Amino acid sequence: AQSVTQPDIHITVSEGASLELRCNYSYGATPYLFWYVQSPGQGLQLLLKYFSGDTLVQGIKGFEAEFKRSQSSFNLRKPSVHWSDAAEYFCAVALNYGGSQGNLIFGKGTKLSVKP
Amino acid sequence: EPEVTQTPSHQVTQMGQEVILRCVPISNHLYFYWYRQILGQKVEFLVSFYNNEISEKSEIFDDQFSVERPDGSNFTLKIRSTKLEDSAMYFCASSSDLYNEQFFGPGTRLTVL
Repeated sequence: AQSVTQPDIHITVSEGASLELRCNYSYGATPYLFWYVQSPGQGLQLLLKYFSGDTLVQGIKGFEAEFKRSQSSFNLRKPSVHWSDAAEYFCAVALNYGGSQGNLIFGKGTKLSVKP
Repeated sequence: EPEVTQTPSHQVTQMGQEVILRCVPISNHLYFYWYRQILGQKVEFLVSFYNNEISEKSEIFDDQFSVERPDGSNFTLKIRSTKLEDSAMYFCASSSDLYNEQFFGPGTRLTVL
């Protein structure tokens, strides 16, 4: 079945430590890939997206993500986490075939806590 | 910076009542979406809307749901007869182009009693 998987429900890292949030998708072809962040009481904000080209994409707030076709993965990374990064992170895909109208399919999210 | 707004932020209703959730998308955007997130679950697509008509809908979006863009600025989601399982956070989103970034509103929390 088609799906987006974020295997980590909750991750805690120390401020200044590096971060990697995992995302795997299961589709017949490479979809468009996104990472969104949601702070409490806020809407979803786009961190970065991958459509084609360079498989390492840079986003806002110092985040980057790498698309690995062989692993059907699109993991999010940040070299040094700040306390303000505490939020919930969602990986999402948009199917770019089959007449899709661009609706996003989300993973369940990973909640990030940051220790001082 | 332009943003998507949603009202109300929280709506409490009795089962069987009709509710209308309102959204004001970014003004030059052409594609509009509704998503929902039941507590503890993933964000799920409900419906997309373009050129004054529904372009795609999920199986969640049954006959109890409808969408409308009544006046060129608002985008509404109506649930005709709410059920307990409709309790969720409802997000509106808009984008300027297909597959471009979708900008999300802060959501409306719907509680059905």
